[in-house]
Amino acid sequence: EAQVTQNPRYLITVTGKKLTVTCSQNMNHEYMSWYRQDPGLGLRQIYYSMNVEVTDKGDVPEGYKVSRKEKRNFPLILESPSPNQTSLYFCASANGQGSGNTIYFGEGSWLTVV
Amino acid sequence: AQSVTQLGSHVSVSEGALVLLRCNYSSSVPPYLFWYVQYPNQGLQLLLKYTSAATLVKGINGFEAEFKKSETSFHLTKPSAHMSDAAEYFCAVTDTGGFKTIFGAGTRLFVKA
Repeated sequence: EAQVTQNPRYLITVTGKKLTVTCSQNMNHEYMSWYRQDPGLGLRQIYYSMNVEVTDKGDVPEGYKVSRKEKRNFPLILESPSPNQTSLYFCASANGQGSGNTIYFGEGSWLTVV
Repeated sequence: AQSVTQLGSHVSVSEGALVLLRCNYSSSVPPYLFWYVQYPNQGLQLLLKYTSAATLVKGINGFEAEFKKSETSFHLTKPSAHMSDAAEYFCAVTDTGGFKTIFGAGTRLFVKA
């Protein structure tokens, strides 16, 4: 089954404790992206990757890091989480160069930073 | 810069009534336009997309949307609402050259019995 898998789905952590949210897709997609969803703001892009070893900032990259060492994986790293990073995070992937292509989303990761 | 505006953060309709969710975009180049739906505790899934073919686009679950360039709109409609349509709906735009997809703030649809 074609899917985007994120882990963990739910996490409560403390300020400053590094964490990683993993993302894996089994569709051989070149394009992968991370979004955060906050009430009234819709989805905002954090980082995206056009292919292995190629990443770029989205609209809200501060406080996040990503890496793309393999085509299928695109982890999101919070080096020193802060309460304003409490949010619902979505990983997504798409085939080819993005334009006009359907984006496939994971089920989301609820992150609470206390 | 591209932007997407969804009019109304909440829309309530009766079962069987017309659903109309509004979306206006701004883009300096011909856009690709999407509607995604998010059911509770799930990720987003594609309802339909416009990619410069027919201006009236039909999607899943009886939804359709019409691209109107003169009005820079891409409103989503369904003739008869069903209880299972209750969800949050997002309009999105991406330009023809890039990888950035801009999402609207979302419209939550409530369907009353």
